[in-house]
Amino acid sequence: GDSVTQMEGPVTLSEEAFLTINCTYTATGYPSLFWYVQYPGEGLQLLLKATKADDKGSNKGFEATYRKETTSFHLEKGSVQVSDSAVYFCALKTGANSKLTFGKGITLSVRP
Amino acid sequence: DTAVSQTPKYLVTQMGNDKSIKCEQNLGHDTMYWYKQDSKKFLKIMFSYNNKELIINETVPNRFSPKSPDKAHLNLHINSLELGDSAVYFCASSPTVSGNTIYFGEGSWLTVV
Repeated sequence: GDSVTQMEGPVTLSEEAFLTINCTYTATGYPSLFWYVQYPGEGLQLLLKATKADDKGSNKGFEATYRKETTSFHLEKGSVQVSDSAVYFCALKTGANSKLTFGKGITLSVRP
Repeated sequence: DTAVSQTPKYLVTQMGNDKSIKCEQNLGHDTMYWYKQDSKKFLKIMFSYNNKELIINETVPNRFSPKSPDKAHLNLHINSLELGDSAVYFCASSPTVSGNTIYFGEGSWLTVV
């Protein structure tokens, strides 16, 4: 079945540090890939997505590139801010299957 | 206007009670979902409806009964609540079954005591 593996957390960084959060997947067919973010006490928001190999999703300074050869969709940001502190979820969706399969999520804390 | 709205946002109730969480989307989407987020933040789908028809039911106890009176609403009723039902429940919607983007509500924090 489909699955998403995220790196173990939590992650703590200083403001303006470089961020990488790893995500790899296994899926039947060709999935669409997503990053969702959950700020403290809030719901899930779509951060970015990519629907085919080599696509790059980007939003709010975050980027992720769909790498079919390594089955990965790593999230990066060049300079994190305190306001980026949140839980980040990698997810995939395949073909006509309507459900999202999520990774376990990783908590990011950014220190001033 | 909130695209996917859930009520209540917070609910504290005793074991054995029956409770409902309501969800409405004003996006004109055909497909709606319920997801459960456990205490470790893990998210898992519970149900999916497309145009009021159940299409996904993921090994959820039959104490949980979704109801979709129309395609803009998907309510979740839970009978005989147990401590393990404490979680955050997220409603979501997408334009179609195969639609690439799923939009989530703000979540309903359920605590069973």
